[in-house]
Order: sequence, then C-alpha cells, then structure tokens
Amino acid sequence: AQSVTQPDIHITVSEGASLELRCNYSYGATPYLFWYVQSPGQGLQLLLKYFSGDTLVQGIKGFEAEFKRSQSSFNLRKPSVHWSDAAEYFCAVGATGGGNKLTFGTGTQLKVEL
Amino acid sequence: EAGVAQSPRYKIIEKRQSVAFWCNPISGHATLYWYQQILGQGPKLLIQFQNNGVVDDSQLPKDRFSAERLKGVDSTLKIQPAKLEDSAVYLCASSLLSGGGYNEQFFGPGTRLTVL
Repeated sequence: AQSVTQPDIHITVSEGASLELRCNYSYGATPYLFWYVQSPGQGLQLLLKYFSGDTLVQGIKGFEAEFKRSQSSFNLRKPSVHWSDAAEYFCAVGATGGGNKLTFGTGTQLKVEL
Repeated sequence: EAGVAQSPRYKIIEKRQSVAFWCNPISGHATLYWYQQILGQGPKLLIQFQNNGVVDDSQLPKDRFSAERLKGVDSTLKIQPAKLEDSAVYLCASSLLSGGGYNEQFFGPGTRLTVL
C-alpha cells in the first residue's frame, strides 16, 4: 500500500526567504506525485504534479518540486516566499495502476513572518 | 467553468443525530469522491463513484455512513448516528472518468462538521 510522510508539521519562514517542504513516499513503482495547497476555509488546490519525465516540475504560484527516486522524495520549493503563501500544504501519491486513488500526507502548516 | 459545489459549509449537531452533505461536481465529471479530513490529518478517501456506481468504499464506516449518487451527477453523504469522532471537514472532489491514466481531481470547499 502506498503512503506519504511529511515530517514537518509546522514551518515558519520570513517573507522573501526561500522555502523547502519535505515529502517522502512509499510505493512499489514510480508513482504519480502531487502537491496541494489548502487555505483556511478553502478546498485543495493543485500546485503541481509529477507523472514521468523531467524530475524537476514547475507549478503555479512560483512553486517547483523535484522527484528523487533514490531518496523516495518529492520536496516542494519556492525561492522567495510571499505572505499570501501562508497555508497548509499536502503531498499526495497516486497509484499508477488506474483508479485515480490519492493518498495524502498529514500536511505541513506554513507560517510567513512579515 | 463552475467548480465543485458543496453544502452546507458548516454544520453543528449533537452526537447521535443524523446529518447529510450535498455535492454537485463539475459538469461532465463522471468520477466523484468523498474525503474525510480530521483536524491535523490529510484527507482520507471515504468513497469513490464512477457515474452512479461505487468504485471504492473500503474506508467508509458502513455502520453509520452512507452515500449515494443516484443519477450519476450530484451526491449526498449521510451520517447516522453521528459520533464525536466524526467531527471533521468533508471534502467532495470530481474528475473526468478514471481509466488507466490519471485525471486531476478538483476539490470543493468542504463542509465542516462539529459533533457535540
């Protein structure tokens, strides 16, 4: 069964600083990988996804993520954080055998200090 | 294009009462999902429909939870009777017909349920 670990429950960064959110997955093959963002009172919004090919993927709002098979990781990065990036971020893994099922991590709450 | 609609947005009930949530997916999306998101956790899939048939309900507590999608469009999720541990946000999502590849899931704003 697939699983996702997000080791950081809370992260605080200063506005303008760089950001890296960690995600490790467990899956028997190369999975589909996703990062979602959830603002208070909002549903989940897809930031970016990895299916295959180039291991560095670009997403919306200036985010990027790098798939590292050897480390079973898919860390999310942003070079310069804006106050509006404060939200909760979820990493998710999707099975490649069909069915469209997603398994989410427990999330990382990002706080941005002005 | 309209997104996934859910109602109500908030609900407070006493334990042992019943409650129902409604979801209207994006037009043309054959697959509909209900997730439970407990505070401090990631969303957990409760049930997945493809048109009006159930694809996966392995994590649905069937003794108290039920869901239907009678006409293959909108869906209702019911809890009867509710327990304190059912306090959570219930998210609905939809996607194009799921096949061998992957189709992006689009999420609604959720219904926040508080059971007292």
